[in-house]
Amino acid sequence: QKEVEQDPGPLSVPEGAIVSLNCTYSNSAFQYFMWYRQYSRKGPELLMYTYSSGNKEDGRFTAQVDKSSKYISLFIRDSQPSDSATYLCAMSETGGTSYGKLTFGQGTILTVHP
Amino acid sequence: DAGITQSPRHKVTETGTPVTLRCHQTENHRYMYWYRQDPGHGLRLIHYSYGVKDTDKGEVSDGYSVSRSKTEDFLLTLESATSSQTSVYFCAISGGGTVGNTIYFGEGSWLTVV
Repeated sequence: QKEVEQDPGPLSVPEGAIVSLNCTYSNSAFQYFMWYRQYSRKGPELLMYTYSSGNKEDGRFTAQVDKSSKYISLFIRDSQPSDSATYLCAMSETGGTSYGKLTFGQGTILTVHP
Repeated sequence: DAGITQSPRHKVTETGTPVTLRCHQTENHRYMYWYRQDPGHGLRLIHYSYGVKDTDKGEVSDGYSVSRSKTEDFLLTLESATSSQTSVYFCAISGGGTVGNTIYFGEGSWLTVV
């Protein structure tokens, strides 16, 4: 079993829809949670970063973390065709050289059609 | 733009030949990482560095070596390339600490071993 599970999709939604992307994890030592967006043939781009349970909002994006259930989500409101990309969840443990030692989900391919 | 340059961006090489990928950063960040990305596996950590001459292994380090002689440069070497090392390689950097606890990725190096 992988430490981080993410449904690879693909996910196809109409423009304006609310998108929900999810990851589950098994390692209770994970304390930092990130969502990356990756366009085709580009490097991952950091979207959201959080280290506590609860919600964090940034524009149309909301990251949700439930450490008790080992479950994280990314919600995209009013989705746009420009949101079409692969979304990767990533997690890391705390402290020292653990920074940047990320464990990634497989990524979910999202297509938003006009 | 996180100030990360990877070279070469694309390379085709033959089985058994040595290959070196270079990551150059202009951010003076302490931590540097090499990840590989493959379908069905997401991104996996190969090696990382937490300072000049300080490196350690990641999840998939077999067949790879690294060196960091200057803060700004982190080299990944495939001593004798194999077809299983055909992949996209991403360099990442982070500053560590609370404020810098985010990781930025380069644009990737596409390597094909034939």
